[in-house]
Amino acid sequence: KNQVEQSPQSLIILEGKNCTLQCNYTVSPFSNLRWYKQDTGRGPVSLTIMTFSENTKSNGRYTATLDADTKQSSLHITASQLSDSASYICVVSALGAGNNRKLIWGLGTSLAVNP
Amino acid sequence: DGGITQSPKYLFRKEGQNVTLSCEQNLNHDAMYWYRQDPGQGLRLIYYSQIVNDFQKGDIAEGYSVSREKKESFPLTVTSAQKNPTAFYLCASSRGLARNEQFFGPGTRLTVL
Repeated sequence: KNQVEQSPQSLIILEGKNCTLQCNYTVSPFSNLRWYKQDTGRGPVSLTIMTFSENTKSNGRYTATLDADTKQSSLHITASQLSDSASYICVVSALGAGNNRKLIWGLGTSLAVNP
Repeated sequence: DGGITQSPKYLFRKEGQNVTLSCEQNLNHDAMYWYRQDPGQGLRLIYYSQIVNDFQKGDIAEGYSVSREKKESFPLTVTSAQKNPTAFYLCASSRGLARNEQFFGPGTRLTVL
């Protein structure tokens, strides 16, 4: 069964600190993996996308890593800011028949950055 | 939220009434999607459309209906057959079906009283 599991479920850190969010998946065949940021009451916004051959990708203070062998990804946030408080969702795209793709969404990690 | 608009932001309806949620995009995207988000659950796909006048059921289509008469518009109707319609509904679009980045609207929070 295709699944995406994220940990921790929630996290509280102080402003300026770093943190790392985890995503483990059992999706096959794998197409790509995205991290989204979702502010409360808003739609998700894409942070990074990674394909099978990519190990790391950065977007400002956000750095995503991918280990396709162990089927794990992480999202590292550097020098956190209050505006980083949000839910971070890992989404894995599975290849399907023909030209179809199916997205498997994780439940997200709720991050709170406190002053 | 890019070039996707959803209206209204908050919607209240009485049980048994049908309600239509609006979704418009000006990104010239071919594919559009409707998701439902409930507390403690990941996004669940209701319907998606790859092209005008064509749409497919997602994982939880029962009790919902859609239309795609224009490329820019993909309205979702929540019918009285939907057993638990209170939720946060998100519309998204992408250049291609599930291949490219999806851009999301701001969402509509539907509460059925």
